Amino acid sequence: QQNVQQSPESLIVPEGARTSLNCTFSDSASQYFWWYRQHSGKAPKALMSIFSNGEKEEGRFTIHLNKASLHFSLHIRDSQPSDSALYLCANDSGYNKLTFGKGTVLLVSP
Amino acid sequence: DTTVKQNPRYKLARVGKPVNLICSQTMNHDTMYWYQKKPNQAPKLLLFYYDKILNREADTFEKFQSSRPNNSFCSLYIGSAGLEYSAMYLCASRTGTGGADTQYFGPGTRLLVL
Repeated sequence: QQNVQQSPESLIVPEGARTSLNCTFSDSASQYFWWYRQHSGKAPKALMSIFSNGEKEEGRFTIHLNKASLHFSLHIRDSQPSDSALYLCANDSGYNKLTFGKGTVLLVSP
Repeated sequence: DTTVKQNPRYKLARVGKPVNLICSQTMNHDTMYWYQKKPNQAPKLLLFYYDKILNREADTFEKFQSSRPNNSFCSLYIGSAGLEYSAMYLCASRTGTGGADTQYFGPGTRLLVL
């Protein structure tokens, strides 16, 4: 059974800081990797995805994937209070299913 | 519009009573999913419909039922609610079956069973 682990469980950073969120997965056959963000009381929303080893940048957000080490991560540059949310990582092995981690609660203090 | 709607947003149910949760999307997505999320746990996939074909996870097979009367609507049915069913239930939809396609989520229905 697939397993996805996230760290840390929660994180408090000052505004303007660089934030790093980590995710490890157990299924080496996973092909698609996602980060979702959920603000309090709102629907989870896809933030970024990556499908091959390496790095992908979109604005202040960068995602890294290293399949050999079964690890992917999300980095937020110049963190803003509006980034405060629950961050969920997930992988998809191509069977029409996402396997999620428990999430990281991020609080960016002004 | 990439909105997935869920009704109700909050549901109070009594132990032993049935519960029916509703999800709708207007994106003409082929696949609709139901997840259960409890505090400090990962969202857990319960079942999904690809078109009219229902796929239920092995460990929740007997606990949840679902129907999809048309492409836009999908329900989640609990025949006899137990305390362990208290959770957030998230609906999602996606076009096709490819892992590269985004799953769009609704805001969830918070179910409390007393």
